[in-house]
Parts: sequence; C-alpha cells; structure tokens
Amino acid sequence: EAGVAQSPRYKIIEKRQSVAFWCNPISGHATLYWYQQILGQGPKLLIQFQNNGVVDDSQLPKDRFSAERLKGVDSTLKIQPAKLEDSAVYLCASSLGRLDRGLRASNQPQHFGDGTRLSIL
Amino acid sequence: GNSVTQMEGPVTLSEEAFLTINCTYTATGYPSLFWYVQYPGEGLQLLLKATKADDKGSNKGFEATYRKETTSFHLEKGSVQVSDSAVYFCALSVWDTGRRALTFGSGTRLQVQP
Repeated sequence: EAGVAQSPRYKIIEKRQSVAFWCNPISGHATLYWYQQILGQGPKLLIQFQNNGVVDDSQLPKDRFSAERLKGVDSTLKIQPAKLEDSAVYLCASSLGRLDRGLRASNQPQHFGDGTRLSIL
Repeated sequence: GNSVTQMEGPVTLSEEAFLTINCTYTATGYPSLFWYVQYPGEGLQLLLKATKADDKGSNKGFEATYRKETTSFHLEKGSVQVSDSAVYFCALSVWDTGRRALTFGSGTRLQVQP
C-alpha cells in the first residue's frame, strides 16, 4: 500500500511569512495526526483529526497555526506568521482509527510520512 | 501527564556488539508502548510494540518487554549491524476518549562502527 505522502520535503522562508504543508494519509485511514519535531527532540503532537473532526488540538499554538481536513482525507497545516522557533520537521501520521479484525483503535500503529523540514531565516 | 525518558546518546558500538537502550515511562492510564526508528533522511518507522504487561515485542532481531512493575520498555538486540545506525524513539499511547496520540522520548542515536 502507498504510504503517507507529504509535501513539500523542504521549505525555507523568512520570519513573519506564511507557509503551508500538505499531507495525504494512507487510503482508508480515519485518524490523522500532525507532529512537530524540533532538532534533537522527539515529535510532539500538534493536532489529531478523526475523519474531518478535531479530536485534540490542545497543543496547537492557535494564534499562528491552523489545520484542516475538510473532506476527511488529506490535510493542510498552516503557519502564519512564522517565528524563528517554528524551525522544525513537521510530520504527518495516520492510523486506521476503527475496530479492525479485533485490533482496537487504541492499539493500532501510526504510519508516518517523511516530513517537511522547515527553516526560518 | 504522560512522559517518556530515554537514555541520552549517542550510543557507539562495534558491529556484532550487544545493544540496550533504556526507556522508562509515566502514564495516566494503561499505555501501549512502542519503539520507532528513524534512519537518516527518512520518516519514523514502527519497529515493535507491546500493548499489555509482560508482552514482548520483536522485529528484525530487536526485542523489548513491557515491564509494568518497573514502568520500563528497554530495547535490546543481541548483535548490531552497521545498517542499524539510526535514531531510536521510545513512545507510549494512552486511550483517552478518542485521544491516542503518541508521546515520544527525545530519541537515542545509535552509531555502529564496522
């Protein structure tokens, strides 16, 4: 099966500019996540979608970050305006998100894309 | 809250050496535990997982046992190869009214020398 697709792979912008990232999850996966991975750290959740609804956005800096998944398939993450501390790799992940052959949603693995590396000048 | 603590790296080993990467966790509720691996220039890949106490996850010669009494999930491999050089992340997931995002440790870089 095709994996999680993300674009672009790299993006360089100046501070205060805006930027958008795109993610297409694995076909049929209901749950989609955006993570931020700062250099030398583990990924941290920004937002979780179940189909086209937001399940958890408690750690999303809503004054500058926004995300949507309008049709419950692909998703975009936007930063406006960008700050220097937003330099990071932005990872998208997806999981099946529903009971499947006895495997509960809580135990299903998340599949990650290759990420978008964002550099702020 | 939930947190994961991993041993700091880098860990440098010679080929065929024994590997242990320590991981301990704190969690509200009953977590599932995971090890992910990130090869240079690539995204995170699931290496192995365990969903209940005393479960052993294994894959590609790597093993980790879910130890509830010590809240640990240490990663081991009997004989490492140069191709195992990567960053390894321990993570947990707790089901909480639909929230099941992963909480990651900070990662441990493994360098295997020929």
